[in-house]
Amino acid sequence: AQTVTQSQPEMSVQEAETVTLSCTYDTSENNYYLFWYKQPPSRQMILVIRQEAYKQQNATENRFSVNFQKAAKSFSLKISDSQLGDTAMYFCAFMNSRDDKIIFGKGTRLHILP
Amino acid sequence: NAGVTQTPKFRILKIGQSMTLQCTQDMNHNYMYWYRQDPGMGLKLIYYSVGAGITDKGEVPNGYNVSRSTTEDFPLRLELAAPSQTSVYFCASRKDSTGLGGYTFGSGTRLTVV
Repeated sequence: AQTVTQSQPEMSVQEAETVTLSCTYDTSENNYYLFWYKQPPSRQMILVIRQEAYKQQNATENRFSVNFQKAAKSFSLKISDSQLGDTAMYFCAFMNSRDDKIIFGKGTRLHILP
Repeated sequence: NAGVTQTPKFRILKIGQSMTLQCTQDMNHNYMYWYRQDPGMGLKLIYYSVGAGITDKGEVPNGYNVSRSTTEDFPLRLELAAPSQTSVYFCASRKDSTGLGGYTFGSGTRLTVV
């Protein structure tokens, strides 16, 4: 069975700093998708960034980028120039390309301090 | 477009009562999902559907039922509410069989069973 592990339950960084959230996953599949979702205090789940496993190039969306290490089964999220609005719960998620559903990690609560 | 709409946003139930959580999407998505999020935990899949008339169990289906009579609607039924069902419930949808788009989430329903 596939699993997603986020080893950092909670983190705090100063505004404008760079922060990296860790995620590892376990699968025997070769084709899959990885996601990072953000859940601010409003509770809304927002897709931050996604990565296709067959692409070697790391995905980037403005201040958000990932470090995808397929052999190590690692998918970390880097937030550059962090802003107060980045304060949220962040979930790493995995989906097998042959499957119909996404598996979520337990989340990392990120606090951006002024 | 409204996206994924969940009602109600909040509800308090007494033990043994029944209720239906409504979910509707206007994006013509084939795939729909129900997750629950317990405090400090990730999202766990309750039920999902790959199209009208087709439903399947997820990780934690006990105590719940679903139906999918139309593409737009995917209601979740709690027959005999128990305190263990106190949680935040998220409905989500996805367009196709690839993972490229990730999910679109509703804003959640906070349910308390007392």
